[in-house]
Amino acid sequence: DAGVTQSPTHLIKTRGQHVTLRCSPISGHKSVSWYQQVLGQGPQFIFQYYEKEERGRGNFPDRFSARQFPNYSSELNVNALLLGDSALYLCASSQQFEAFFGQGTRLTVV
Amino acid sequence: AQSVTQPDIHITVSEGASLELRCNYSYGATPYLFWYVQSPGQGLQLLLKYFSGDTLVQGIKGFEAEFKRSQSSFNLRKPSVHWSDAAEYFCAVVGQRGATNKLIFGTGTLLAVQP
Repeated sequence: DAGVTQSPTHLIKTRGQHVTLRCSPISGHKSVSWYQQVLGQGPQFIFQYYEKEERGRGNFPDRFSARQFPNYSSELNVNALLLGDSALYLCASSQQFEAFFGQGTRLTVV
Repeated sequence: AQSVTQPDIHITVSEGASLELRCNYSYGATPYLFWYVQSPGQGLQLLLKYFSGDTLVQGIKGFEAEFKRSQSSFNLRKPSVHWSDAAEYFCAVVGQRGATNKLIFGTGTLLAVQP
């Protein structure tokens, strides 16, 4: 079985641009969460979606948004990128309370 | 508020030596606890989890962890470390069980293994 897949693996954006990150969960998992991991820190919760509905939102500005599609895949969108948005963005799909993470998307904002 | 503390930012052990990584949590009810491992530039791999029952839990790669409610701790152990265990280790607790099952992570412990 395929695990959680994220795309792209790396990308470089310029300040002020917009970015879309994508995630496909493990087959059968209906919940997807997004985390931001800044270098040297633990991941920070951004969003959780379950059955296409937002179930939780972390302490992130409105520039961050997400959605979940009928096939349970998800997109994370970030507008008006700042240098501080440079991080590893992790997607996790979960069954009950156990989360399985993808390899992440490394976003660099220059 | 729920939180996780990993007091050791960096630990170096010799190959074959035993290992203990510390984790303390703050949570009002019975916590759901996890240990994850992360290799450089990679995602997180689940090592083990505790939900309830036996307080000593076994995980993958020879790791185990012990839940001690009285000390609010969930320390990770391995009797004999291998060079391939060099990585960053994160302890996490599920916060706000119910509406959202977000994970709250500690800041991580970076493990280096000397030959």
